[in-house]
Amino acid sequence: GAVVSQHPSWVICKSGTSVKIECRSLDFQATTMFWYRQFPKQSLMLMATSNEGSKATYEQGVEKDKFLINHASLTLSTLTVTSAHPEDSSFYICSARDPQGGEQYFGPGTRLTVT
Amino acid sequence: DAKTTQPTSMDCAEGRAANLPCNHSTISGNEYVYWYRQIHSQGPQYIIHGLKNNETNEMASLIITEDRKSSTLILPHATLRDTAVYYCIVGNYGGATNKLIFGTGTLLAVQP
Repeated sequence: GAVVSQHPSWVICKSGTSVKIECRSLDFQATTMFWYRQFPKQSLMLMATSNEGSKATYEQGVEKDKFLINHASLTLSTLTVTSAHPEDSSFYICSARDPQGGEQYFGPGTRLTVT
Repeated sequence: DAKTTQPTSMDCAEGRAANLPCNHSTISGNEYVYWYRQIHSQGPQYIIHGLKNNETNEMASLIITEDRKSSTLILPHATLRDTAVYYCIVGNYGGATNKLIFGTGTLLAVQP
């Protein structure tokens, strides 16, 4: 299957700082990428849909000013957690949709810990 | 909200077939059934998807009932490495609004 990468795989930051997470589709161009968050022992929760060249679409209850999404190219979407707080500590996972086949492939996830 | 219902957990003996059920009674005509699995602390892995016909690939088989209200994922010879949370999801294949909404999934524990 297609490969989606994330960077970094884990990050620890101090409360009040901002953290940027990258999601790349390595062998296909993705016009649409998705960002999920997963708390321990819970399922994945969709945060937003990232569209290349346009604004992201956020799910209800997700603060767009706190979770900034940029999809500047067909292979890269970034999620910036601004002014991070300990409650933002979570596992952040992206996925990319292959426009040819339609399948979605997931990245390995980024573990964010805010101290 | 997720449109599927799955058992919370299941056990399976190593080497035996694992049959994971999923109910999706409100599925609409153009929605596909997807199966993904997530091994601890990793991103979900695509397994298989189907519309109405049964499907098979190198990982698993997907059996969809004629009324499409339920399906079963079959791992023919489960191994310890198949221990994971398995998610059954319905959605529009390849559509511009193809959001995958995850439910709680089934934790499959393969026992030696």
